[in-house]
Amino acid sequence: NAGVTQTPKFRVLKTGQSMTLLCAQDMNHEYMYWYRQDPGMGLRLIHYSVGEGTTAKGEVPDGYNVSRLKKQNFLLGLESAAPSQTSVYFCASSTRVLAGVSTDTQYFGPGTRLTVL
Amino acid sequence: SQQGEEDPQALSIQEGENATMNCSYKTSINNLQWYRQNSGRGLVHLILIRSNEREKHSGRLRVTLDTSKKSSSLLITASRAADTASYFCATAGTSGTYKYIFGTGTRLKVLA
Repeated sequence: NAGVTQTPKFRVLKTGQSMTLLCAQDMNHEYMYWYRQDPGMGLRLIHYSVGEGTTAKGEVPDGYNVSRLKKQNFLLGLESAAPSQTSVYFCASSTRVLAGVSTDTQYFGPGTRLTVL
Repeated sequence: SQQGEEDPQALSIQEGENATMNCSYKTSINNLQWYRQNSGRGLVHLILIRSNEREKHSGRLRVTLDTSKKSSSLLITASRAADTASYFCATAGTSGTYKYIFGTGTRLKVLA
């Protein structure tokens, strides 16, 4: 199992450009999340999904859109990048029951470091 | 706003010593989890404690939860240089446990 993978690992954008971050998981998890991590701020939830075709806003959703067309993929889009979106972005996935045991463990990807100039 | 606040923000100890870090949160929770993040990496789950539990152990880790004080502590015993990392608490609210809020983290440095 690859677990949770993120593409790309690094990206530099100019203000106003758009891009899509891809998250993929091969654990058949129902739930997927996008977070951003800024120095001294911990992780903040951007958007999340509780199943294929469903998405919901998290703590800091403005400026981002998401889609979950397939269960294994969760895409994060920036339509018009701003310097305030310079951050490290983490994707995570989780399931409620694993091998018959209730679990809420989140599995994280390695992150995407995004710089917006 | 952040749900969890870790204390201290940074901690430096000698190898073999115990490390204690604390997490406070604001609203009722279903469970609280602790994660470790090595520099430049994603977070790794360490341990989960549910709201009806008071203490939990996993190897050298001991977690306590005091729901009346809305606080939790993580104790790492006999620390090793490899424990050097940032540690985060994450809380899942009672309305939907699939939505987590992370604290600001404690940066632990274990000196060999």
